[in-house]
Amino acid sequence: EVQLVESGGGLVQPGGSLRLSCATSGFSFSVYWMQWVRQAPGKGLVWVSHINSDGSSTTYADSVKGRFTISRDNAKNTLYLQMNSLRAEDTAMYYCVRDNFGVDYWGRGTQVTVSS
Amino acid sequence: DVVMTQSPLSLPVTLGQPASISCRSSQSLVHSDGNTYLTWFQQRPGQSPRRLIYKVSNRDSGVPDRFSGSGSGTDFTLKISRVEAEDVGVYYCMQGTHWPPWTFGQGTKVEIK
Repeated sequence: EVQLVESGGGLVQPGGSLRLSCATSGFSFSVYWMQWVRQAPGKGLVWVSHINSDGSSTTYADSVKGRFTISRDNAKNTLYLQMNSLRAEDTAMYYCVRDNFGVDYWGRGTQVTVSS
Repeated sequence: DVVMTQSPLSLPVTLGQPASISCRSSQSLVHSDGNTYLTWFQQRPGQSPRRLIYKVSNRDSGVPDRFSGSGSGTDFTLKISRVEAEDVGVYYCMQGTHWPPWTFGQGTKVEIK
């Protein structure tokens, strides 16, 4: 069974940092692209970032470019999102998703709240 | 960026009646590999999204056959043949042909009348 379990969210002040993790199991993590998608309270889904299978290629939404860094550890079957210079508008549920020629599996998400 | 436009944004439906959601893209979603990467997701209240349909019309394992996807080019539709109470939630289309960015529609909220 494919499982994606996010962690690392929480309350942080504007300008602060957080590192999200996504522990995966039930599939060969190292062969799949992975993504992060977020959802602000009461709003729709927004793509944040993607990484290819070996970590050599990454892309970001314009709203997070230069502040967020996606990475992965294929030996640990884990995906990461380093978030720096956080803003109030980054407040959202962050979902780790698997990309199998299109998004298929989603984690349950981890909540990030940016507030003073 | 490809803009995905869903309609309606709110869809009250009577139990047992059909429902239809439209998703239009600002450019053709046909990829150079011949596939069309248009996906439909369901998000029930308080849950994370779940994929229902991929590549326009392929239903995921475990998805009831009352759900169907159709369309081509820039015009796509998700249909529920007979709405059940468990179908309440928000439905999103997403394109994965022209990236980055991957883009979602605004979401369509399905509720029971």
